[in-house]
Amino acid sequence: QLELTQSPSASASLGASVKLTCTLSSGHSNYAIAWHQQQPEKGPRYLMNLNSDGSHSKGDGIPDRFSGSSSGAERYLTISSLQSEDEADYYCQTWGSGSWVFGGGTKLTVL
Amino acid sequence: EVQLVESGGGLVKPGGSLRLSCEASGFTFSNAWMSWVRQAPGKGLEWVGRIKSKTDGGTIDYSEPVKGRFTFSRDDSKNTLYLQMNSLKTEDTAVYYCATLGYWGQGTMVTVSS
Repeated sequence: QLELTQSPSASASLGASVKLTCTLSSGHSNYAIAWHQQQPEKGPRYLMNLNSDGSHSKGDGIPDRFSGSSSGAERYLTISSLQSEDEADYYCQTWGSGSWVFGGGTKLTVL
Repeated sequence: EVQLVESGGGLVKPGGSLRLSCEASGFTFSNAWMSWVRQAPGKGLEWVGRIKSKTDGGTIDYSEPVKGRFTFSRDDSKNTLYLQMNSLKTEDTAVYYCATLGYWGQGTMVTVSS
């Protein structure tokens, strides 16, 4: 069964970098995913599509501080030079047979 | 600029009905596969379903919790997506978002409560 697993929480200091992980379930390591950001009290915002080879395409206006990478079944979102507005929930999402599948989300705290 | 604007949310009693709309602009709506995603209070994102473009067959897929109760439709002449929700349950309480690849609406709140 296609599933995405994310750590519930992460934290990093202002100005530092953080790497969030999304793990695809067994047998689905070649799937592409998308990363979405949801700031407090706002709707989700598309960040990027991320392929199994690490290539990624970002959404409109997404800063260069956001990047993606892949290794096996793991998909990563790296945010560098953390800013206070990066404090948000981050969801990974992929495409199953006729459906979207979401990870449980990671709540990022900027210290 | 791409915009997706949902409307139609509100308070409804269990067993009641509600119709949501999502008006799109800034892209070729008729070519887009459109999805509905919801988020219960304090919870994560949950895919509700998707309608393909008519040129791709217009196929509709629903998640299991809403199958048989929710109906998607689209009016490409009005660039609008619809979600007809019937037999509503308290567990349908959520913010409902329309989305397409790369873009999200701002959401509309649906509260099912007696």
